[in-house]
Amino acid sequence: GAVVSQHPSWVICKSGTSVKIECRSLDFQATTMFWYRQFPKQSLMLMATSNEGSKATYEQGVEKDKFLINHASLTLSTLTVTSAHPEDSSFYICSARLGTGGIEAKNIQYFGAGTRLSVL
Amino acid sequence: AQKITQTQPGMFVQEKEAVTLDCTYDTSDPSYGLFWYKQPSSGEMIFLIYQGSYDQQNATEGRYSLNFQKARKSANLVISASQLGDSAMYFCAMREARNTGGFKTIFGAGTRLFVKA
Repeated sequence: GAVVSQHPSWVICKSGTSVKIECRSLDFQATTMFWYRQFPKQSLMLMATSNEGSKATYEQGVEKDKFLINHASLTLSTLTVTSAHPEDSSFYICSARLGTGGIEAKNIQYFGAGTRLSVL
Repeated sequence: AQKITQTQPGMFVQEKEAVTLDCTYDTSDPSYGLFWYKQPSSGEMIFLIYQGSYDQQNATEGRYSLNFQKARKSANLVISASQLGDSAMYFCAMREARNTGGFKTIFGAGTRLFVKA
């Protein structure tokens, strides 16, 4: 399958600092990428949809100013957690959609390996 | 209300046996896509199988098959000949239209599968 690279895999930071997480589609172009958050032993919660060349679409309850998303190219989307606090500690996973078909099209979402963020 | 419901928090299966993981979904849209992903302890999400809302036949991918019952809005995953390496968390997901345009993929709570030797 297609490869999505996510970096870093693990980051520890002090409260109040900002952390940037990168998501790259290595062997395909992705006009749409997704950012998810996963709490321990829970499901994935969609945070936002990242569209190349336009503003990200955030899910209800997700702070836009807190979680900055930039999709500058067809292969790179970044999530910046600004002024991180301990409650932001979580597992963040990005996903890139292969293809540009409609909703029912078999355009598989491939996932990165995730970034574990720990805010002290 | 839950859009994706996985009623089995945990399942046990004997190695080499088949197992069915349940998934029901809720949507009023005629177009949608259904996915199953596997998440081993390493955390990476691995795509298993896909079913489009207009697909007439059940999807199959190797040992994985999707029992798609559209009228009942269920999309159960069947794993045949279970292997020890199948022990993982399994998520059912649905791609649906967004009210403001575009689409999004949402996930169920997951089922943890344990394969016994």
